[in-house]
Parts: sequence; C-alpha cells; structure tokens
Amino acid sequence: DIQMTQSPSSLSASVGDRVTVTCRASQSINNYLSWYQQKPGKAPILLIYAASSLQSGVSSRFSGSGSGTDFTLTISSLQPEDFASYYCQQSYTTPITFGQGTRLDI
Amino acid sequence: EVQLVESGGGLVKPGGSLRLSCAASGFTFSHAHMNWVRQAPGKGLEWLGRIKRKIDGGTRDYAAPVQGRFTMSRDDSKNTLYLQMKSLKTEDTAVYYCTRSSLDYGDYVYWGQGTLVTVSS
Repeated sequence: DIQMTQSPSSLSASVGDRVTVTCRASQSINNYLSWYQQKPGKAPILLIYAASSLQSGVSSRFSGSGSGTDFTLTISSLQPEDFASYYCQQSYTTPITFGQGTRLDI
Repeated sequence: EVQLVESGGGLVKPGGSLRLSCAASGFTFSHAHMNWVRQAPGKGLEWLGRIKRKIDGGTRDYAAPVQGRFTMSRDDSKNTLYLQMKSLKTEDTAVYYCTRSSLDYGDYVYWGQGTLVTVSS
C-alpha cells in the first residue's frame, strides 16, 4: 500500500499568513494527488486535483505543486474561512490512501 | 445539480449487520465510478472501497480492514450505491460518505453529507 505522510499534523497561523502543507508518498504516484478541505461536521471539499489543478470555484489563494513523491499545498494569504483540516489523497492505485490530515488553527 | 444522499445509518450491536444506501442524482450514475469513505469520530478520512462502472467491468476493490466483511454494490436502474456491512465491530463506528470519482485523476469532487454508523452494545 502507498503511505501518505502529511506534515505538519497541526499548524497555528494568523489571517494573512502564507501557509504550506506537505505530503509525501511512499512511492511515486505521478501526479495522482488531490487536496481536500474539511470543516467540522461537513463533508470534505476538493481544492486541488492532479497535484496542481485548481478545482472550479475554489479560491486562487490555494495552489498545489509537486510530482512523484513530494507535494505541497500552499495557501497564499489565510482568510478566516480557511481554518479547517486539510487532507491529501493519492488515487494512483488502490487502496486509495489519505494523509493523516493537517489541522489549521488560529 | 449533482447530489449524493446517504441513508441507512444508525445504532447496531457488535457482530450485527447494516446496509447503507447512496441515492445519486444530477449525473449519469451508470457512467461513474463510486466509492465509500468513512471517518471515525475525531479521526481522518479512510477509503473503504470503489466499484467501477459496468463498462469498465464493474470491478470492486476494498480496503484491508473491511475486505470480506463489507460488500459494495450498485443498481444503475435506481441510481443507487449500496454498502452491505456485516460482522460489525466497535471500530467501524464512523460517518460514512459516498463519493464519485472523476474518471481521469480519480479525485472526489462530489461527496454525500454522510450517515453515522454507531456500533455499540
């Protein structure tokens, strides 16, 4: 199975900060990497697919990069609504696997 | 508008069974690969399995923790996805989501609202 390791597991930041979350795959997943945002009690929302493609309707302050095994999600200028949990996911092969999540707090 | 609506969750005793449903609308269900994902209280997301569309063989893949206990199926005439769960354990307590995979990169644009399954005596 492909293990997805996210870091950090939690992060404190302030409105206006630039934040980066990283995700490392245990083997190459090409660019089959997605990023999701989840708020308490809600279903996840797709932010980025194919490692760097911004999902329609998602703010351009979110960006993704990487290929192979190392990936990053960057939020360019944190807004109050961005405080949530973030997950990476590989869909290169089954079993599909998620990172353990990054909780972004004020 | 794409909608995925799960139902069938509830309280069940350890060792019991439960069937979840996911009613789909707003897209051609038979053309889609579908998945189940769960989230235990306070924990992360866990993929449970995928069922491909019939033209791709309708094959099913499962995560190891549920292999042999959970069975995914689909009724394309009813636009509905199912998850039959048996031999339930307390660690199966979670919110269960159905999702639709994109056909190119396998990402999940569409999620249901989730249904809570509680396994407890």
